[in-house]
Amino acid sequence: EAGVAQSPRYKIIEKRQSVAFWCNPISGHATLYWYQQILGQGPKLLIQFQNNGVVDDSQLPKDRFSAERLKGVDSTLKIQPAKLEDSAVYLCASSLGSDQPQHFGDGTRLSIL
Amino acid sequence: SQQGEEDPQALSIQEGENATMNCSYKTSINNLQWYRQNSGRGLVHLILIRSNEREKHSGRLRVTLDTSKKSSSLLITASRAADTASYFCATPRGGSYIPTFGRGTSLIVHP
Repeated sequence: EAGVAQSPRYKIIEKRQSVAFWCNPISGHATLYWYQQILGQGPKLLIQFQNNGVVDDSQLPKDRFSAERLKGVDSTLKIQPAKLEDSAVYLCASSLGSDQPQHFGDGTRLSIL
Repeated sequence: SQQGEEDPQALSIQEGENATMNCSYKTSINNLQWYRQNSGRGLVHLILIRSNEREKHSGRLRVTLDTSKKSSSLLITASRAADTASYFCATPRGGSYIPTFGRGTSLIVHP
């Protein structure tokens, strides 16, 4: 089966600019996750979707981050405006259900200048 | 907030040796998962162990779970250079299915 696809692979922007990441999960996976992983740390959950509904977004900085999952398939994560501390790898994962193993994409490495 | 925490933070061994890493967590869980991450890649799922299980095997991997001590261990036997990676445990945030990851154990296996 095809894995989780993410794009772009790398992105460099200046602070205060906006950026968007795209994720295509494994077909049939109802649960989709976006994580932020800062260098040397574990992934931190930003938002979890079940189909196209939000299960948890308690750690999403909603003043600058937004995410959507239209039609319960693809998802986009946006940052506007970006801050220096947003430099990280943004990982997307999907699973059959919320207590099932997650399948991860290779992430988008974001650098803020 | 972090639920699980891996120990040690870093581990360096020779090929052929066994590697053991531990995960401790704070609140009751319904399952615990271990993942591997190679440099520059996404995480790969290794093993899921449920709260009513004590031990699980997959190839050279052995995971144990002690719910009374709120801890789990991952043992990699006969390690290979290709096992060099970071290893993370993931536990649900108290009473939910929302996953949290620790900071990971960085394993280096020298050929």
